[in-house]
Parts: sequence; C-alpha cells; structure tokens
Amino acid sequence: SQQGEEDPQALSIQEGENATMNCSYKTSINNLQWYRQNSGRGLVHLILIRSNEREKHSGRLRVTLDTSKKSSSLLITASRAADTASYFCATDAISNYQLIWGAGTKLIIKP
Amino acid sequence: SQTIHQWPATLVQPVGSPLSLECTVEGTSNPNLYWYRQAAGRGLQLLFYSIGIDQISSEVPQNLSASRPQDRQFILSSKKLLLSDSGFYLCAWSAGGRASYNSPLHFGNGTRLTVT
Repeated sequence: SQQGEEDPQALSIQEGENATMNCSYKTSINNLQWYRQNSGRGLVHLILIRSNEREKHSGRLRVTLDTSKKSSSLLITASRAADTASYFCATDAISNYQLIWGAGTKLIIKP
Repeated sequence: SQTIHQWPATLVQPVGSPLSLECTVEGTSNPNLYWYRQAAGRGLQLLFYSIGIDQISSEVPQNLSASRPQDRQFILSSKKLLLSDSGFYLCAWSAGGRASYNSPLHFGNGTRLTVT
C-alpha cells in the first residue's frame, strides 16, 4: 500500500487564492518532501521537512508536518497560473531510505 | 551546477523490440541514481537504484534491467518490450555517500514510452 496519500486528488481555484494540499503517511519517517510536476515533465523538488521540524517556508510555500497525526500540508499563497501542476509528497521511512510516493494532487489555477 | 540529461524524450516501440534509455549527470560525483516509472495520473514506482558503479538494486521484478557503466551514467534496458512497459520513465539523482541522508532527488525530463 502507498505510504503517502495526497488529498484532494484534484483542486481547482481562482488565481490569487490560496491552495492547500494534504499528505498522510503510515510509518515513522526521517523526512517528508514535496515535489511539483508540470504536465509531461520531470519532478522538481520544492521543500524537505525533517521529522523534528513542524513548519517550513520557501517563498509562497508553507509546509507543516504533524508527526503525531502522520500528516503534512502544503500551502501555496497568492496562487498564479504558473502554479498549475501536480504536487506530490514523498516520505523517507526510518526503516529504509527509499522514498515512497503518493499519487499526487492535480492543481489547476484559473485565470 | 549539476544537470541531468535523459533521452530520448519520446519513444514508440513495437512489442518484442529491445529498449535502451540513457541518463547522464553532470557537475557531481558519486551520485545515487534512480529509475522510476509513472503510470498516467499516478505516483512514482521505483524500478532501480544505484549507489555506485556495478551496485544496482532492483525493486520490481520484471523484464527490465539497469546498468551503470560509468559513475554518472545510468541505462535502463529491456531485451523484449511488453505492452505493459508503456509509461513515463524518469531518471533521477541525489547526493551519494554520507550526504545521501535527507538529500532531495533531481529529475530528468522523462521519456514517454509507448509500446504498440
């Protein structure tokens, strides 16, 4: 079964609004990462948050991690059309160092 | 700066034909290298990873194989393609050795393989 599960599967919002995506996982982790994938392209790393961190920021991105609930959220503020992409979370389990991926959230920003 | 090159970008091959996808990394040494496959609208499935030359681990038993003839070159191959091999193949690298812990992945632009 998948370690990471993103929610929602798809999200469509107006440009300028904030977008929030969630990720849940099942086992203890070393870290959790978020990636973006534009259609037909490779993935681009956005943020890595360690298991002892609770929140991290990068520009318009804010990531939170709640290890007690085994969940993370990615917030994109003041969304732009260029943010249209699929967003994936990946967890690095303590038991081994292989990343496990969710199925992603498809984000559409309407102009 | 580090760059990763993956080719070809698209490939249409008949069932039973061989496959060779190539990936090279520049600007770093001793990277960890990965081959992933992504089905449409899905997450990534790890196929192979390598922590060094001739050190390759297979995650999914199938008719694919991987080789690492040089430190920064990773090749995905098949002797006879199946219809089920169609998909989007992604090569990636991350820092190797002691830096591998907590190191993000850097992806190529992928190869869209269609087996007909």
